[in-house]
Amino acid sequence: KAGVTQTPRYLIKTRGQQVTLSCSPISGHRSVSWYQQTPGQGLQFLFEYFSETQRNKGNFPGRFSGRQFSNSRSEMNVSTLELGDSALYLCASSRSETGHNEQFFGPGTRLTVL
Amino acid sequence: AQKVTQAQTEISVVEKEDVTLDCVYETRDTTYYLFWYKQPPSGELVFLIRRNSFDEQNEISGRYSWNFQKSTSSFNFTITASQVVDSAVYFCALSDPYSGAGSYQLTFGKGTKLSVIP
Repeated sequence: KAGVTQTPRYLIKTRGQQVTLSCSPISGHRSVSWYQQTPGQGLQFLFEYFSETQRNKGNFPGRFSGRQFSNSRSEMNVSTLELGDSALYLCASSRSETGHNEQFFGPGTRLTVL
Repeated sequence: AQKVTQAQTEISVVEKEDVTLDCVYETRDTTYYLFWYKQPPSGELVFLIRRNSFDEQNEISGRYSWNFQKSTSSFNFTITASQVVDSAVYFCALSDPYSGAGSYQLTFGKGTKLSVIP
């Protein structure tokens, strides 16, 4: 079974630009979560989607948004990029409709903002 | 608020030594789940174990074992006879149920970087 895939793997942008990251979950998984990992703040939850609906959102500004498509693939968008947005963005998928199934993570997209 | 503390930032051991990674958590929920993930240099988080709050049995999987003690809010991870391939950052995480929506999020500790020296 193929794992979670994320594209692109690496991205370099400049301040003020916007960026879109893509995530394809494991086949059959309907929940997709996004996390930001930085050296200073560690791993922080961004949002979670299930059946094209955002069910949960972390404490991030509105510049961070996402969506999920009918095939469970998900995208996240960051507008008006700031230097502090440089991070590894990890996507995770889960079978979970309710409950606490384990989340399986992709390799991440490393975003550098110059 | 949920909180996970991994007090050990970095640990170095010589190959074949045993090593224990500590994890202490805080939650007001009575039902919760705890996880351990491994992050090798490639960056991908690898799932190791999930344990629910009602199951305090210790678990062993090969060279890995986990000690869950609800009384001390700890969920420690031991690697027996460590190997160089065990070198990675290990994260402990706590599920954070989002009421009413069936969703949950993981609250991660800061991680412990384990270096196994040959």
